[in-house]
Amino acid sequence: DAMVIQNPRYQVTQFGKPVTLSCSQTLNHNVMYWYQQKSSQAPKLLFHYYDKDFNNEADTPDNFQSRRPNTSFCFLDIRSPGLGDAAMYLCATSRDGLAGEYEQYFGPGTRLTVT
Amino acid sequence: RKEVEQDPGPFNVPEGATVAFNCTYSNSASQSFFWYRQDCRKEPKLLMSVYSSGNEDGRFTAQLNRASQYISLLIRDSKLSDSATYLCVVNIYSGGYNKLIFGAGTRLAVHP
Repeated sequence: DAMVIQNPRYQVTQFGKPVTLSCSQTLNHNVMYWYQQKSSQAPKLLFHYYDKDFNNEADTPDNFQSRRPNTSFCFLDIRSPGLGDAAMYLCATSRDGLAGEYEQYFGPGTRLTVT
Repeated sequence: RKEVEQDPGPFNVPEGATVAFNCTYSNSASQSFFWYRQDCRKEPKLLMSVYSSGNEDGRFTAQLNRASQYISLLIRDSKLSDSATYLCVVNIYSGGYNKLIFGAGTRLAVHP
């Protein structure tokens, strides 16, 4: 059974047209992450939620926003997608990893194309 | 300098070969280390954690050298199904919380 679910798996949007990617989890983990991964590059952390506390990476563009209405769901909003935002977007969850020692479980990703 | 550096490969090896991947990290305060596996166009999945004393899981052996800030992964008796990208992952403490930093990965291709 899927534990971290991402929808849609593939998303095509037009330049400048807002898009929302969703992630849900059945693990009841309190930490949720959004990563951006471009071809042949490392996953890059955009932000994460520790429970309801939002933590934004310093180099995450303002164009990227996130919402976490409850433990199970987390959304990534891209307000005005540019061609450079085309990538795989990965959602991950983990338990209370205060020492970073807990495994992160990834969803299958959403592949975003910007035309 | 990148926080986590890996040889991108690709490593092309025949079935049954032994192959080793190396990884260096820049933050000496890092405490947790992992190897993840990522298949083409799929999500990363945890292969194994890396412990200070080194650890083994079947054909896979991970080693950590804190003094040199170096991590390795050894795969023995390679199988075709081992073909994938192997990501070296290190935790850092930054901005008041822990986070994982991923290397760009080393690509392995095992051929018959």
